[in-house]
Amino acid sequence: DTGVSQDPRHKITKRGQNVTFRCDPISEHNRLYWYRQTLGQGPEFLTYFQNEAQLEKSRLLSDRFSAERPKGSFSTLEIQRTEQGDSAMYLCASSPDIGYTFGSGTRLTVV
Amino acid sequence: AQSVTQLDSQVPVFEEAPVELRCNYSSSVSVYLFWYVQYPNQGLQLLLKYLSGSTLVKGINGFEAEFNKSQTSFHLRKPSVHISDTAEYFCAGGDYKLSFGAGTTVTVRA
Repeated sequence: DTGVSQDPRHKITKRGQNVTFRCDPISEHNRLYWYRQTLGQGPEFLTYFQNEAQLEKSRLLSDRFSAERPKGSFSTLEIQRTEQGDSAMYLCASSPDIGYTFGSGTRLTVV
Repeated sequence: AQSVTQLDSQVPVFEEAPVELRCNYSSSVSVYLFWYVQYPNQGLQLLLKYLSGSTLVKGINGFEAEFNKSQTSFHLRKPSVHISDTAEYFCAGGDYKLSFGAGTTVTVRA
């Protein structure tokens, strides 16, 4: 078990392009979370999966954002038509119940 | 919904001195509280958590925190810091969904 893995670590994209991030949780964890962290702030909740079911989405997750966890294992977060305001660190976490293990994050820069 | 407030945005401290990072929480339901540390360009690492039981919680790297229900606080302490403790520290609360404070930057100086 190597913990929670996120790929890529860094992504630079031009405004208007689509990007997709991947998260591989700890294998026995059935809960998976996505958070967004902007500079100087704490992480903010985006969405949550229990197995393959997406149980909650934040209002921060506009219609340009979509997340999937097709087989209850890895998850993807896609941002369509990126905007400069999407620049942030996107963190994935997993847990068996209370308390998370975070991945190292994907830093997105939209230019 | 639970929310947390970190009272100090920056805490400078000399090496081998003690440090305390303050966190207050608000909640009308069950209280689960956490402290995480984040090093530059890294994810968050769990230092310790309070779920129930003893109000004094010990974590990794010599950190401890005390849950105080009457003061709605969950302050983090370390009796003697090292240069390597320089990092961002986040208090968080909640159950399946966590609310994070804005963070406290700890800078340890020799």
